Amino acid sequence: QSVLTQTPSASGTPGQRVTISCSGSSSNIGNYYVYWYQQLPGTAPKLLIYSNSQRPSGVPDRFSGSKSGTSASLAISGLRSEDEADYYCSAWDDSLSGVVFGGGTKLAVL
Amino acid sequence: EVQVVQSGGEVKKPGESLKISCKGSGYNFATHWIGWVRQMPGRGLDWMGMIYPDDSDTRYSQSFQGQVTISADKSISTAYLQWSSLKASDTAIYYCARHRIVATIDNYFYYYMDVWGKGTTVTVSS
Repeated sequence: QSVLTQTPSASGTPGQRVTISCSGSSSNIGNYYVYWYQQLPGTAPKLLIYSNSQRPSGVPDRFSGSKSGTSASLAISGLRSEDEADYYCSAWDDSLSGVVFGGGTKLAVL
Repeated sequence: EVQVVQSGGEVKKPGESLKISCKGSGYNFATHWIGWVRQMPGRGLDWMGMIYPDDSDTRYSQSFQGQVTISADKSISTAYLQWSSLKASDTAIYYCARHRIVATIDNYFYYYMDVWGKGTTVTVSS
């Protein structure tokens, strides 16, 4: 059971906009930045969004993040086949004094 | 280029010991936290803990405290994850990741991972 809650799966067709959600509590998302990681099949996770909504260099602006209260969202616009991956949200949790993750959302591009 | 390079995959028997490694380059290894994340087969990510190589200050997830040992040798820019007695349930991919620090306005510090290694597959089977 993950500390952060994500819908296990999502899907969209090329060109569509999809949103992946992540729910937590005041001990994590409510008081700390949210981070998103993309894990392409058979590869290591890669930082996709940091500090709720910032993109590291090289991440396309098709990816955007937002946070409201104890929930966060990752939006992908102009969906492409290469976006098919697992997406994980993450945050610091002060009651656990550690990093926590969501269970991951598997995105399928149909 | 900032990168962390992990040691190769391992196949071990239950009860055996193991130490895997992760070498950082392209940044000041000693002054950045570095840590480990587990991914069991077909499962999500579990944060295990981290170490500050300059003074070996180590923090563990409650789930992994006492189960593994995290260490580092700043002279060779290398962090380690160690088991004294492996179990079949330790079978997983272990990722090393550089941690960045974030300071809140009331001077509380917390962490996130920005650069990840490719992972080390550990298989424990009799």
